[in-house]
Amino acid sequence: EVQLVQSGGDLVQPGGSLSLSCAASGFTFTNYWMTWVRQAPGKGLEWVANIKQDGSEKYYVDSVKGRFTISRDNAQSSLYLQMNSLRAEDTAVYYCARGFRAFHPWGQGTLVTVSS
Amino acid sequence: DVVMTQSPLSLSVTPGQPASISCKSSQSLLHSDGKTYLYWYLQKAGQSPQLLISELSSRFSAVPDRFSGSGSGTDFTLKISRVEADDVGTYYCMQGMSLPLTFGQGTRLEIK
Repeated sequence: EVQLVQSGGDLVQPGGSLSLSCAASGFTFTNYWMTWVRQAPGKGLEWVANIKQDGSEKYYVDSVKGRFTISRDNAQSSLYLQMNSLRAEDTAVYYCARGFRAFHPWGQGTLVTVSS
Repeated sequence: DVVMTQSPLSLSVTPGQPASISCKSSQSLLHSDGKTYLYWYLQKAGQSPQLLISELSSRFSAVPDRFSGSGSGTDFTLKISRVEADDVGTYYCMQGMSLPLTFGQGTRLEIK
């Protein structure tokens, strides 16, 4: 079964850091771009970042540039999102997804809450 | 950034009746390779989004043929020929033409 299992969401103070993980199984991880999408409480979907198969290209939405870093470990079939200098407006459910545009599957989502 | 605008933002449909959701982009989504990079996703309550339609009109695996995508350039439509109870949720269009990828606001479909 093609599957993405996420971990790492938590409550963190403004200015703090957090790392999210996404473990892939059931497919050849190295064949796919991977993506992070987030959804603030009660709001719509926002694309956050993506990374090429070999990690050589990474792209970010402007609001997280310089604060978030997307990475992957192809040996472990895992995707990561390191989030630094977190702000209240980063509070959201974060989803990992396989693909560059046509996202399938999606992870189950993990909640990141930035609050003092 | 490409702005995606959906309408209506909510609709209530009787089972068995058709439904239609409009999505407009601020720039053309027709690429020089001939593909139109417009996608449709459905998010059911409490679930992760799921892919319905890719590249304007290609239904994803196992998506019922009641769902169809159409349009061109900057105007797109998702149609459900006969709404069923399981279709309830929020539908999002998304452009894959340029980064950052952007989504519409979402259209909430409920059953009458």
